[in-house]
Amino acid sequence: AQSVAQPEDQVNVAEGNPLTVKCTYSVSGNPYLFWYVQYPNRGLQFLLKYITGDNLVKGSYGFEAEFNKSQTSFHLKKPSALVSDSALYFCAVRDIDYKLSFGAGTTVTVRA
Amino acid sequence: EAGVTQSPTHLIKTRGQQATLRCSPISGHTSVYWYQQALGLGLQFLLWYDEGEERNRGNFPPRFSGRQFPNYSSELNVNALELEDSALYLCASSLKRLPYRDTQYFGPGTRLTVL
Repeated sequence: AQSVAQPEDQVNVAEGNPLTVKCTYSVSGNPYLFWYVQYPNRGLQFLLKYITGDNLVKGSYGFEAEFNKSQTSFHLKKPSALVSDSALYFCAVRDIDYKLSFGAGTTVTVRA
Repeated sequence: EAGVTQSPTHLIKTRGQQATLRCSPISGHTSVYWYQQALGLGLQFLLWYDEGEERNRGNFPPRFSGRQFPNYSSELNVNALELEDSALYLCASSLKRLPYRDTQYFGPGTRLTVL
């Protein structure tokens, strides 16, 4: 089965600083990887995905992610974090039967 | 374009009762997925419907069931509710055609509380 891991429960950064949220994956075959964000008492919002092609994927709200096959990682990045980026971030991998398997989530806090 | 909608927003039931949760996909989407987000358990896949058929189900007991209607909306039923069924239930939809089928778009969820 496909799986992802988010090694950090929490990430704290100052506004304006770079933000990185880590994700590693374990798959058989080609990985289909996703990042979602969840604000309090809300559903998940799609940020970006890697299916194939360029290793650097650009997504919504200024986020991007770098696919690294040798390190089996798919880290989410934002060059300059905003207070409004404070939320719960999930990495996910699509299984062969199209269901998504999610990581445990990383809580991001951006302080002013 | 309207997103995925779910109703009700909140649902309070007692143990042993049945709960029915509803989901309307994005217009043009034929696949509907259900996930459970329970405290301490993370996000877990429940069910996948595509064009009226159940295509896959997660590791949940049979008292979790559902269906998809001809207009692609979906219903999740949970029978014989247990306290541990308290969770946020998220519905997602996607297009059928590859590669768009890969992106699932989520609704705001239904918060089920079992007392």
